[in-house]
Amino acid sequence: EAGVTQFPSHSVIEKGQTVTLRCDPISGHDNLYWYRRVMGKEIKFLLHFVKESKQDESGMPNNRFLAERTGGTYSTLKVQPAELEDSGVYFCASSRAETNEKLFFGSGTQLSVL
Amino acid sequence: DAKTTQPNSMESNEEEPVHLPCNHSTISGTDYIHWYRQLPSQGPEYVIHGLTSNVNNRMASLAIAEDRKSSTLILHRATLRDAAVYYCILRSSGTYKYIFGTGTRLKVLA
Repeated sequence: EAGVTQFPSHSVIEKGQTVTLRCDPISGHDNLYWYRRVMGKEIKFLLHFVKESKQDESGMPNNRFLAERTGGTYSTLKVQPAELEDSGVYFCASSRAETNEKLFFGSGTQLSVL
Repeated sequence: DAKTTQPNSMESNEEEPVHLPCNHSTISGTDYIHWYRQLPSQGPEYVIHGLTSNVNNRMASLAIAEDRKSSTLILHRATLRDAAVYYCILRSSGTYKYIFGTGTRLKVLA
């Protein structure tokens, strides 16, 4: 079974540019999550999809961040325009439909905004 | 949200058991205790979870105090590959959001 795949693994952009991160969850997983760790701080929740619907986006830092999950399959997280404080590692995770199912995380995208 | 407290770091010798403690004094009756670990350059990886009773799986054991205000992750024989940051997380039943703390960085000595 393929795991959660994230692309790219690394991205270096300049302040003000746009970056789009992609996540392919495990096939059949309805739940998809985005988390991030910035500047050596704790891993923080960003948002949660159930299929194509946003279930909880309480962790999204501001309106420069836009997450989509078209057709309930893969998801993208766009940052526009990127700021220096957006640098960090962005993790995607997926899980099956049941509430207390374990999460499977991808290896993350290391984003560096210069 | 309920929070957890873990030591910043621990060391263990290879082949010996490791007991990783976690305090969660504000745990509610519907909070599940989850443990994940993060190896270098990887995303977090599920280890084990439980509600009230002790749990065992192929990776580890989870011992939960009777009052549920603390728990201990037990690695029965530490290997070098177990060196990672271990996170103890409370997750309320019916919710999907994990709140990560700082975790415990486990160093395994050969």
